[in-house]
Amino acid sequence: SQQGEEDPQALSIQEGENATMNCSYKTSINNLQWYRQNSGRGLVHLILIRSNEREKHSGRLRVTLDTSKKSSSLLITASRAADTASYFCATDASTGNTPLVFGKGTRLSVIA
Amino acid sequence: DVKVTQSSRYLVKRTGEKVFLECVQDMDHENMFWYRQDPGLGLRLIYFSYDVKMKEKGDIPEGYSVSREKKERFSLILESASTNQTSMYLCASSPGTGARETQYFGPGTRLLVL
Repeated sequence: SQQGEEDPQALSIQEGENATMNCSYKTSINNLQWYRQNSGRGLVHLILIRSNEREKHSGRLRVTLDTSKKSSSLLITASRAADTASYFCATDASTGNTPLVFGKGTRLSVIA
Repeated sequence: DVKVTQSSRYLVKRTGEKVFLECVQDMDHENMFWYRQDPGLGLRLIYFSYDVKMKEKGDIPEGYSVSREKKERFSLILESASTNQTSMYLCASSPGTGARETQYFGPGTRLLVL
């Protein structure tokens, strides 16, 4: 089935640095979403970008979408220790009414 | 704020037991979902429901069943628990008539089957 694949699987950075995570997918989509999961908790929606959008911002988050390459990136600027979490992309198919498909996630560690 | 609650945060059961995981959402969402999450495998969809009394199989329905008698409640049932069902179970809901909208997740239930 269509699935977003995040890259890298794990990322470790110092506080204050920027963190970039990538997501690639296989088929045409209507939108792509990014979620965050703190250890042992449920996922929290961060941002949604539609297929006709190229870039979207929310606070320290910046998401880009390149539909020609079937890829998206999530940039967290000026990272904080509290940003330590796993980040997942989720895609929907542009046809049919199938649920979102989540990738396996990138585990981000921000070291103070 | 949307709130999705799950009946237990941690649960320990024995092999062969019937297990009920309950999920309740308070935002009148049409769609509800059950996932399991295992290290290295990400989130895998077990079952979902677009409406009351409706259910659809996800990617890994074997060994599970669901019930949605009321719009706000979606139950996951393990008919006869097995050790390979030890996992983190996540419930989610979303608004709208389709299943593509933003999902709101509960805190998860960590199930251990001995």
